[in-house]
Amino acid sequence: GAGVSQSPSNKVTEKGKDVELRCDPISGHTALYWYRQSLGQGLEFLIYFQGNSAPDKSGLPSDRFSAERTGGSVSTLTIQRTQQEDSAVYLCASSLKPLTIAGRQETQYFGPGTRLLVL
Amino acid sequence: AQKITQTQPGMFVQEKEAVTLDCTYDTSDQSYGLFWYKQPSSGEMIFLIYQGSYDEQNATEGRYSLNFQKARKSANLVISASQLGDSAMYFCAMRGRGGADGLTFGKGTHLIIQP
Repeated sequence: GAGVSQSPSNKVTEKGKDVELRCDPISGHTALYWYRQSLGQGLEFLIYFQGNSAPDKSGLPSDRFSAERTGGSVSTLTIQRTQQEDSAVYLCASSLKPLTIAGRQETQYFGPGTRLLVL
Repeated sequence: AQKITQTQPGMFVQEKEAVTLDCTYDTSDQSYGLFWYKQPSSGEMIFLIYQGSYDEQNATEGRYSLNFQKARKSANLVISASQLGDSAMYFCAMRGRGGADGLTFGKGTHLIIQP
């Protein structure tokens, strides 16, 4: 079946512009996650959605970052007034649920990422 | 807070040899999960194997096995009979907190398989 898809694959933007990154999870997956991967910081967790709600937004790096998910499916990560330090690969992942009935962690499956370069 | 430590930034291994990639973790959660992911140069993150904190047996998936030592907070990945296609970055990750947040990743190990 289809995996997690992300668009665009690559995005080059000028400092100060807004960007919108899109994630389409695996069909039927209720949990969705955003991560950022950069050379300096490694892989960082940004935000998690269960259905359309995000219980904890404290992982977002600044108030310029926001995310939403509608219809329990597609999610968008928006970065306003981009800065050069926002340059990174933004990865989206989804899982069937956060936890199984037995309390085991559900596996997260990742998309190919969006490579963002802020000039 | 959770923390994952991978102490091997890079490894060179001869093809067909077994490889052990180290991972230690720190958490105050009683229930948690440990994951290994592979990231080839193409950038995709590929799930390899999962170990639950209450699992009594070590996880195995084909050529991958996880050497789980709970008392030592260690979750090493073992790749048997390495292949050239195993060359990639390998990340150890964990998740706890009742599933309320995302994965915490280590800094990764860059594995290069030599012919």
